[in-house]
Amino acid sequence: DAGVTQSPTHLIKTRGQHVTLRCSPISGHKSVSWYQQVLGQGPQFIFQYYEKEERGRGNFPDRFSARQFPNYSSELNVNALLLGDSALYLCASSLEGSTNEKLFFGSGTQLSVL
Amino acid sequence: GQNIDQPTEMTATEGAIVQINCTYQTSGFNGLFWYQQHAGEAPTFLSYNVLDGLEEKGRFSSFLSRSKGYSYLLLKELQMKDSASYLCAVRDLGYGGSQGNLIFGKGTKLSVKP
Repeated sequence: DAGVTQSPTHLIKTRGQHVTLRCSPISGHKSVSWYQQVLGQGPQFIFQYYEKEERGRGNFPDRFSARQFPNYSSELNVNALLLGDSALYLCASSLEGSTNEKLFFGSGTQLSVL
Repeated sequence: GQNIDQPTEMTATEGAIVQINCTYQTSGFNGLFWYQQHAGEAPTFLSYNVLDGLEEKGRFSSFLSRSKGYSYLLLKELQMKDSASYLCAVRDLGYGGSQGNLIFGKGTKLSVKP
């Protein structure tokens, strides 16, 4: 069975541009979360979606948005890119989005903003 | 505020035992997770503690003391492949149907030497 898949694996953008990152959860998983991991730091929570609805939002500016589709895949959008947005963006899925569930992470999208 | 502390780096010898400590101060608590992350790869789940005590799973064990805000991950019979970053994460309280996001420490980079 496929794990959590993310695309693209690497991306280079310039300041001010917009980016869309994509995630497909493990088959049967209904909850998707997005995390940002800056080099040398732990992942930081951005969003959680369950059944196409936003269930949680971290401390990120409105330039960051996301959505979940009927097939439970998800997109993370970042507008007006800044140099500080350079990071590894991780997507994680879980079955029902319950508090006692472990998260399964994808390998991430490495975003570089020049 | 939210704060999770763990050592930045540790070195150990193949075949030995190593203990990675994690202390936390969070506004809410809904379980503590340990993840392993090899460079350039997805974090993978190791353990979950929600009640005080020791959870053992093969060569890996994890301990939790909620009153002390303290956890450790114990790795026995170290192998070279155990060289990785180990992330301690606390799940905070979820509101409005949220799963509660994971608050990660910065990770402990473990190097296993022959």
